[in-house]
Amino acid sequence: GAVVSQHPSRVICKSGTSVKIECRSLDFQATTMFWYRQFPKKSLMLMATSNEGSKATYEQGVEKDKFLINHASLTLSTLTVTSAHPEDSSFYICSAIGTSGAYQETQYFGPGTRLLVL
Amino acid sequence: AQSVAQPEDQVNVAEGNPLTVKCTYSVSGNPYLFWYVQYPNRGLQFLLKYITGDNLVKGSYGFEAEFNKSQTSFHLKKPSALVSDSALYFCAVRKNAGNMLTFGGGTRLMVKP
Repeated sequence: GAVVSQHPSRVICKSGTSVKIECRSLDFQATTMFWYRQFPKKSLMLMATSNEGSKATYEQGVEKDKFLINHASLTLSTLTVTSAHPEDSSFYICSAIGTSGAYQETQYFGPGTRLLVL
Repeated sequence: AQSVAQPEDQVNVAEGNPLTVKCTYSVSGNPYLFWYVQYPNRGLQFLLKYITGDNLVKGSYGFEAEFNKSQTSFHLKKPSALVSDSALYFCAVRKNAGNMLTFGGGTRLMVKP
């Protein structure tokens, strides 16, 4: 089946540093990738939609200068949390949607990245 | 605007009994409907989807869901629950044109031995 990976799975950083999270589609080409944030015992909040080769579209209330998204290829999107603060601590999940067939219909999700900012 | 409601925060069921996790949706046009499951500290795993065709959709791990257009519902069901089914379940909807998913608030399923 379709596989989406994320790296790292868990990261602890100091306040003020930047953290990069990678999202890769392993067995299909992803024209569109999505970045979500999930708070404990809550549903997913869409942060942004990234399309390969173009600028990401951010949801209302999400700071584009703080959450930098790059979708450089059809299999890789990155989310960089810049100047992280403790309130940025969360579970970040990416998903990808493909270019053909079933991969066009279904978003496949990565395993998530747990970020803890001290 | 599209929306999804999962009216139950938690569903408790005994192992071996049937389970139902409820979902209702609102969307203009024909909906694409999805169920995902999330285990602790993990991403979402795709269970099943309804795009078109038969209203009863069968998915992974013995789960199925029934699309009911008149009731705008897409309830998730399984004839015989397993303890390992205990997890967080999300219903989601998208328009047939467009990629954006809208999620319900999630329902925690607890299956007790």
